[in-house]
Amino acid sequence: GAGVSQSPRYKVAKRGQDVALRCDPISGHVSLFWYQQALGQGPEFLTYFQNEAQLDKSGLPSDRFFAERPEGSVSTLKIQRTQQEDSAVYLCASRGGVGMSNQPQHFGDGTRLSIL
Amino acid sequence: AQTVTQSQPEMSVQEAETVTLSCTYDTSESDYYLFWYKQPPSRQMILVIRQEAYKQQNATENRFSVNFQKAAKSFSLKISDSQLGDAAMYFCAYTGGGSNYKLTFGKGTLLTVNP
Repeated sequence: GAGVSQSPRYKVAKRGQDVALRCDPISGHVSLFWYQQALGQGPEFLTYFQNEAQLDKSGLPSDRFFAERPEGSVSTLKIQRTQQEDSAVYLCASRGGVGMSNQPQHFGDGTRLSIL
Repeated sequence: AQTVTQSQPEMSVQEAETVTLSCTYDTSESDYYLFWYKQPPSRQMILVIRQEAYKQQNATENRFSVNFQKAAKSFSLKISDSQLGDAAMYFCAYTGGGSNYKLTFGKGTLLTVNP
């Protein structure tokens, strides 16, 4: 497809379960970002990949959060032992350029995660 | 750390009228980019307009324009001839130097367009 694709669109899990969220970036995009958007708030940065390398994970809220992009394309955000505070929309964005660039980030529709 | 502040949680405008959304930011960097993104209820974040800090000329995209005041660290969005389809949450965002160029977002302004 032409845009960033995220799946599933909605995910409901019980507290304590593990979840995995998938992001298919725009083909050829080197940079990939994950953001967390709480209800009524702006997105907050979680982590950044340049190709398969995770160059920044400073925004991950705890060691229960783990992200990977093993072949430099599809990325997965995994949350272990989910807590209610993990309920949010998780947005993935990709960008073609690296370095200081005015190339914008292109966002997917997000995954709405609800923890019961 | 960079911060982005949107002081208007909600705004409303009559169809065909003009509305201005405010944004201020704080940074110690000299080179950076500013963006306005639109997020309709369907949730996909869509780029509206972008501004390079080194450019003095304000960016314009059709009915959308910005008033970039670098010294005041202000970056407002003006929407002219408002249309019903402009109704959405609008986010101001900043990206600067560093190793990843992540976006820092404001909390957003919910724009309602009244027919």
